[in-house]
Amino acid sequence: DVKVTQSSRYLVKRTGEKVFLECVQDMDHENMFWYRQDPGLGLRLIYFSYDVKMKEKGDIPEGYSVSREKKERFSLILESASTNQTSMYLCASRGSGGTYEQYFGPGTRLTVT
Amino acid sequence: GQNIDQPTEMTATEGAIVQINCTYQTSGFNGLFWYQQHAGEAPTFLSYNVLDGLEEKGRFSSFLSRSKGYSYLLLKELQMKDSASYLCAVRANDYKLSFGAGTTVTVRA
Repeated sequence: DVKVTQSSRYLVKRTGEKVFLECVQDMDHENMFWYRQDPGLGLRLIYFSYDVKMKEKGDIPEGYSVSREKKERFSLILESASTNQTSMYLCASRGSGGTYEQYFGPGTRLTVT
Repeated sequence: GQNIDQPTEMTATEGAIVQINCTYQTSGFNGLFWYQQHAGEAPTFLSYNVLDGLEEKGRFSSFLSRSKGYSYLLLKELQMKDSASYLCAVRANDYKLSFGAGTTVTVRA
């Protein structure tokens, strides 16, 4: 079974702090994704990566950056957290080809106060 | 842009059938996914349609009409454990999935 893990289930940070969210997958997938999920808005893509050190902006990249130094790990960085970044953050991974199914991690609920 | 619409909430009785509709207007189309998400958990894959027609998988079926920009997920013989959010997502290109806001289904005894 594909396993996608995220470093924290719950996180509380203060405005202006630098925040790191870590995601690890164990299926040697090339593609990894970061989403945020907000009530009434669904999942929105922040960034994705199709290979090590490669990254592409999604629909809402402002205020975020990412890092992919190893194939299995994809990090989301909030350079200076703001209250409007309070949300559920979901990481996903996907292999190449096939049904293009994405496998999701359990999510990190981030609260910025 | 991408526009994916699905109802916000639906309620049904245990043992009944529920149909969740999804309409989409997207800049590209390469397939449509349905995911199930229980409260506080990760979304899990239910189905993938790329051609028109009905795909059946046990109690769950998914239908696609590309010409109408329309899909539905049919849940039969509802069980309490089916209470969850159901997410419709369109694969616009090789990488990107665009999601609807999700439909929360509540199954009552």
